[in-house]
Amino acid sequence: DTEVTQTPKHLVMGMTNKKSLKCEQHMGHRAMYWYKQKAKKPPELMFVYSYEKLSINESVPSRFSPECPNSSLLNLHLHALQPEDSALYLCASSQETGHGWDTEAFFGQGTRLTVV
Amino acid sequence: KQEVTQIPAALSVPEGENLVLNCSFTDSAIYNLQWFRQDPGKGLTSLLLIQSSQREQTSGRLNASLDKSSGRSTLYIAASQPGDSATYLCAVSPYGQNFVFGPGTRLSVLP
Repeated sequence: DTEVTQTPKHLVMGMTNKKSLKCEQHMGHRAMYWYKQKAKKPPELMFVYSYEKLSINESVPSRFSPECPNSSLLNLHLHALQPEDSALYLCASSQETGHGWDTEAFFGQGTRLTVV
Repeated sequence: KQEVTQIPAALSVPEGENLVLNCSFTDSAIYNLQWFRQDPGKGLTSLLLIQSSQREQTSGRLNASLDKSSGRSTLYIAASQPGDSATYLCAVSPYGQNFVFGPGTRLSVLP
């Protein structure tokens, strides 16, 4: 099983709402990632978790709050977002070898987020 | 800072043609290079992973090569099919950095 599952597939939220994105994998990967992708652009890294601990935060605004409650699950909590935050949010995972990204990465299908 | 470019940006070909997509990176100090496929509005599907010690990898009609010294990788698609239409992204894993993606090649295979 090389599947990374993301829910929901689509989300529309107002600027005052609080919502969460969920990502799950059962490959035993200990490195998990959140990426943001705008239309016709490559994915941009937001956060990296290694062994359930946040190891990289790419200067992401605090209205995005990641959480890794266990080795299989990664959440992204959203609060007071702006319309420019509308994008495809991708979760990925890979084996953790000390570098985190020297093994094959597997991506989920993404959550299409629209902020109105 | 590692930079990744992909040529061409877009490609439209008739069904059955053999294709070559190109990826270039500026720093040869990488762990691996990975090719992905992305359908519109969807996630990324891993196609091939080439470790830094390898020269090429093959999967079905796909063959990817890596020349670290020149900072280049090519993805060869044999006997293209309309179902191959998608955006193809290459990503490198530089030492001490996360994945760096190229901008992608948008492929359209016409029936």
